[in-house]
Amino acid sequence: AQTVTQSQPEMSVQEAETVTLSCTYDTSESNYYLFWYKQPPSRQMILVIRQEAYKQQNATENRFSVNFQKAAKSFSLKISDSQLGDTAMYFCAFLQNSGNTPLVFGKGTRLSVIA
Amino acid sequence: GAGVSQSPSNKVTEKGKDVELRCDPISGHTALYWYRQRLGQGLEFLIYFQGNSAPDKSGLPSDRFSAERTGESVSTLTIQRTQQEDSAVYLCASSLVSGRAYNEQFFGPGTRLTVL
Repeated sequence: AQTVTQSQPEMSVQEAETVTLSCTYDTSESNYYLFWYKQPPSRQMILVIRQEAYKQQNATENRFSVNFQKAAKSFSLKISDSQLGDTAMYFCAFLQNSGNTPLVFGKGTRLSVIA
Repeated sequence: GAGVSQSPSNKVTEKGKDVELRCDPISGHTALYWYRQRLGQGLEFLIYFQGNSAPDKSGLPSDRFSAERTGESVSTLTIQRTQQEDSAVYLCASSLVSGRAYNEQFFGPGTRLTVL
């Protein structure tokens, strides 16, 4: 079974600064997907960024980028130029590359952006 | 178009009562998932429906939990004889089923269940 670990329960960052959230995972699969989701107080899960395991290039989406280290099974999220609206819970998630299967989530990191 | 909707938004019930939670997936999405999110925790998979196939119930925590889905439409999650440990946010997600390896799951806003 796959597991996802987020070792930082809470983090804070000053507005406009950069912050990195950590995630490690365990799997015996070679092909899979990794995700970062944002959950603001509204509870709505928002997909921030996706990484395909077969791609060596790290995914980027505007201010969000990942550092994907397949051998180390590490998948960190970097948020540049942090904004107050980035304050939320962030979840790392794993998906097997075998059709429609459930996501496996970490326990989350609560990020606070401070003005 | 409309996203995934869930009702009620919040539900308070007394221990021992039964509750039903509803999920309306995005039209055309044949895959539907239920997840549970306890306070301060990540999402835990409960059950998965895909079209007319038998559902994957491997995540249901006890026989007090059950879910139904009629075709490719609405799903209801039923919790019988609720316990305080059932207090959580219950999230529903839906996705297309296609030949692609990855189909994005779109989440609803969840139902917050509080068992007194």
